[in-house]
Amino acid sequence: EAQVTQNPRYLITVTGKKLTVTCSQNMNHEYMSWYRQDPGLGLRQIYYSMNVEVTDKGDVPEGYKVSRKEKRNFPLILESPSPNQTSLYFCASSRTSFNEQYFGPGTRLTVT
Amino acid sequence: DQQVKQNSPSLSVQEGRISILNCDYTNSMFDYFLWYKKYPAEGPTFLISISSIKDKNEDGRFTVFLNKSAKHLSLHIVPSQPGDSAVYFCAAFPSGSARQLTFGSGTQLTVLP
Repeated sequence: EAQVTQNPRYLITVTGKKLTVTCSQNMNHEYMSWYRQDPGLGLRQIYYSMNVEVTDKGDVPEGYKVSRKEKRNFPLILESPSPNQTSLYFCASSRTSFNEQYFGPGTRLTVT
Repeated sequence: DQQVKQNSPSLSVQEGRISILNCDYTNSMFDYFLWYKKYPAEGPTFLISISSIKDKNEDGRFTVFLNKSAKHLSLHIVPSQPGDSAVYFCAAFPSGSARQLTFGSGTQLTVLP
């Protein structure tokens, strides 16, 4: 089954404790992206990757890191999480940057 | 400043009637528009799209209209069904090689039986 998976689905952590949210797709897609969803703001792009080893900042990249060492994986790293990073996070992928994106189920992150 | 705006946070319609969801944009570089549907506890799923070279695209019960001069698009659902109750996001791609998708804030559609 074609899908985008994210882990964990739910995470509660404390300020400053490094964490990684994994994202994997099995569709051989070139383009992958991370978004955060906050009330009244819709989905805002954090980082995107056009292909392996090619990443770029989206609209809200501060406090986040990404890497794209393999085509299927695109982890999101929070080196020192803060409470303002409490949000719902979605990973997405598409065949190319010109196609509609497929989204993962989301990761609910709470930073206390 | 939000470049894609959905000014109605919520909309309720009766089953069988038409649902019209609206979206406005400010960036004239946007040339491809998409609608996504999102159920609770799930990721958004692609619904329908339209290129700026068209003014209408239809897929079953769903039709998207684009008015470039007004920088406005709308999604029509006819007839509406209770299973259509979800949050609908409008999104837009700019022209050019670095294609970043910009989303609106979403409209919660409730279809009443």
